[in-house]
Amino acid sequence: AQSVSQHNHHVILSEAASLELGCNYSYGGTVNLFWYVQYPGQHLQLLLKYFSGDPLVKGIKGFEAEFIKSKFSFNLRKPSVQWSDTAEYFCAVYSDYKLSFGAGTTVTVRA
Amino acid sequence: NAGVTQTPKFQVLKTGQSMTLQCAQDMNHNSMYWYRQDPGMGLRLIYYSASEGTTDKGEVPNGYNVSRLNKREFSLRLESAAPSQTSVYFCASRTGPGANVLTFGAGSRLTVL
Repeated sequence: AQSVSQHNHHVILSEAASLELGCNYSYGGTVNLFWYVQYPGQHLQLLLKYFSGDPLVKGIKGFEAEFIKSKFSFNLRKPSVQWSDTAEYFCAVYSDYKLSFGAGTTVTVRA
Repeated sequence: NAGVTQTPKFQVLKTGQSMTLQCAQDMNHNSMYWYRQDPGMGLRLIYYSASEGTTDKGEVPNGYNVSRLNKREFSLRLESAAPSQTSVYFCASRTGPGANVLTFGAGSRLTVL
């Protein structure tokens, strides 16, 4: 079965700081990779996705992620966070009809 | 608005009671999913339906049953609720091969006392 590991459980940052969230997965075949975000009290929203091609993908709200196949990683980055980026972030991997999620990283941005 | 609709949004049950969570999507998606979200554990797949007429177990199916009533609707049933099933439940749907993006509903918060 697919497993997805997120490196950090809780990250606390100040506004304008850079953010990087780590994600590793276990499946060695073809996968589709995603980052979802869940703002407080809301449901999951797609932040960005990787299917194929350029391993550096850009998403909404200034987020980007880099797929490194050799490391089975798909790390999320944002150069300068805002208070409104406070949320829980989930890495997810799609394979064999199923989307498997990591445990999530709570990001708190202090004004 | 197009999307995934779940009902109810909130429910409190006593141990041993039964209930059904309803999910409907109006995007003509083939696949539908039920997840549960618990603190520190992310989202775990309970059951999924790859297409109308089929259902399969996910990571945590015990204590649940599902019905893919038609292409639009996918319900999740708890036959005898237990406190361990206290969680937030999300339904999601996905269109066919080549478009593996899931659209999620707003969630159903279930408390079992």
